[in-house]
Amino acid sequence: GENVEQHPSTLSVQEGDSAVIKCTYSDSASNYFPWYKQELGKGPQLIIDIRSNVGEKKDQRIAVTLNKTAKHFSLHITETQPEDSAVYFCAASPSGTYKYIFGTGTRLKVLA
Amino acid sequence: SQTIHQWPATLVQPVGSPLSLECTVEGTSNPNLYWYRQAAGRGLQLLFYSVGIGQISSEVPQNLSASRPQDRQFILSSKKLLLSDSGFYLCAWTGTASGTEAFFGQGTRLTVV
Repeated sequence: GENVEQHPSTLSVQEGDSAVIKCTYSDSASNYFPWYKQELGKGPQLIIDIRSNVGEKKDQRIAVTLNKTAKHFSLHITETQPEDSAVYFCAASPSGTYKYIFGTGTRLKVLA
Repeated sequence: SQTIHQWPATLVQPVGSPLSLECTVEGTSNPNLYWYRQAAGRGLQLLFYSVGIGQISSEVPQNLSASRPQDRQFILSSKKLLLSDSGFYLCAWTGTASGTEAFFGQGTRLTVV
């Protein structure tokens, strides 16, 4: 069945360093890959997304890369700040469906 | 602008009691609606989704059910709660096209005791 694996489960970085979170999806029909940030006690919020016809997308300090052949996609956060500390989820949505299959999340801690 | 409301924010219920969580969306018509459960330290598990009034798709067999009595209202229910039903429940909506942003509510933390 559809599955999204996400690594690492926890990540600690020093303020100003970069953070990378990686996901692998199983359904080759997936064509939409969002990333969500969840702060404590709140619902997840979209921070960036990418579609299968694009290999990379950047928005200020955040970038996402997609390798369709390997079925990998990654989130890159540069110049991390304490407010980046949160749980990050990747997701994949198979084409023609309304489902979003989420990874298990990465708890990012940015140490000041 | 569109908003999503989910309540209550927290709930403590005894084993065997019924459950009703409600979610409403404002500012959009005919949204796709979703219920997710997030167990402690785990990812988001899709429980139910709905593409229209009265249309419910269940993703996992369980002790819960969902209903959509109105276009922008989605209800998660149980007749008898189990300890394993404890978790953080999230309602979400998307537009009708596939592959669009999902907007989440603030969640309900359910503790079954």
